[in-house]
Amino acid sequence: NAGVTQTPKFQVLKTGQSMTLQCAQDMNHEYMSWYRQDPGMGLRLIHYSVGAGITDQGEVPNGYNVSRSTTEDFPLRLLSAAPSQTSVYFCASRRSLAGGLNEQFFGPGTRLTVL
Amino acid sequence: AQKITQTQPGMFVQEKEAVTLDCTYDTSDQSYGLFWYKQPSSGEMIFLIYQGSYDEQNATEGRYSLNFQKARKSANLVISASQLGDSAMYFCAMWYNNAGNMLTFGGGTRLMVKP
Repeated sequence: NAGVTQTPKFQVLKTGQSMTLQCAQDMNHEYMSWYRQDPGMGLRLIHYSVGAGITDQGEVPNGYNVSRSTTEDFPLRLLSAAPSQTSVYFCASRRSLAGGLNEQFFGPGTRLTVL
Repeated sequence: AQKITQTQPGMFVQEKEAVTLDCTYDTSDQSYGLFWYKQPSSGEMIFLIYQGSYDEQNATEGRYSLNFQKARKSANLVISASQLGDSAMYFCAMWYNNAGNMLTFGGGTRLMVKP
């Protein structure tokens, strides 16, 4: 089990460029999500998915798109990068229980800098 | 809106002593869960402990225990016998029956263990 994997680990973009952050999990989890963590702060939810073909917005969705064509993959697209999107991005997954322990497994993160 | 508050931006503790990290939450839901995560300087998110809102006993995991006071809406993390490797950021997080049961995070507490 690789768990939750993210690529790339580091990325530098220029303002206005677009890119896709990749996230994959091999645990057959239905729930996947993307968070961003700004310096000295907690994680904030960008988008999430409760299953293939189903996505929804979190707390800070502007400037990001997602899709979920398979259970395993949940890519995050930056449409036109801005310096305000400089952050560390975490992908997470968990089983689709309504409650209970329901631990979220996090990927190692992608550190993105937008110049 | 649901909210998690960690009022201690930074704390020092002497090695081998116990330390309590504070977390208060605000929700009108009856069903929710509280997590603590550790984030060392390497950046990954490490699950420590979980408490469900209906759990009658306080959760414990090795040197970690969660002091759950439901009426006060607090879920403080207690680390016994601190070790140098405990130096890290600690985040309290809550899932609730909204937004696909995704987690809402507090702002974090930086713990520094002194030798």
